[in-house]
Amino acid sequence: GAGVSQSPSNKVTEKGKDVELRCDPISGHTALYWYRQSLGQGLEFLIYFQGNSAPDKSGLPSDRFSAERTGGSVSTLTIQRTQQEDSAVYLCASSPPGQGALSGNTIYFGEGSWLTVV
Amino acid sequence: EDKVVQSPLSLVVHEGDTVTLNCSYEVTNFRSLLWYKQEKKAPTFLFMLTSSGIEKKSGRLSSILDKKELFSILNITATQTGDSAVYLCAVPRNYQLIWGAGTKLIIKP
Repeated sequence: GAGVSQSPSNKVTEKGKDVELRCDPISGHTALYWYRQSLGQGLEFLIYFQGNSAPDKSGLPSDRFSAERTGGSVSTLTIQRTQQEDSAVYLCASSPPGQGALSGNTIYFGEGSWLTVV
Repeated sequence: EDKVVQSPLSLVVHEGDTVTLNCSYEVTNFRSLLWYKQEKKAPTFLFMLTSSGIEKKSGRLSSILDKKELFSILNITATQTGDSAVYLCAVPRNYQLIWGAGTKLIIKP
């Protein structure tokens, strides 16, 4: 696609329910990142994929959070048994092979998924 | 612990004013510092700074890095209402970015 696509753009869920957030990166981008941004806060790193593998999952805040990426493309972030503190914007970003965080202008962000847990 | 700290957290000025936003950092193996503008949701890239004392400029925006004192500033001259946004500073560490909390800039007409 033309840009990083995320869905849903907005999600309101009841505490205790599971949610799935989807990210469709730019075609050909091998690196994919998930970030979380709570209201008034900076971006918090969650997980990074290189292809289908996740070298670093240390940013995931608890075992209720998981993510997978299939076919080197679409990624899904799953939050089980949601809590109110999970409410935030979840941002996905992707970058081309060989680039990424060291070349800030080649990281492309999606519009995010705003999650509200009530 | 690696960290990036921005100040002020929020700033309200009138159209036409000049503003200076600050970003200080403590990150091991520092290589570069990035500035982003965030309106609504997705951050958009502004500048990447790697060398001390060399100003990067784009229109009314400019930025400079001081690697000795470990900080960067972002200047916006002749501000316009369209400059209202959150300005984020980030420092790459390996494959990820360490982000500051951002400066929320509001430009009043």
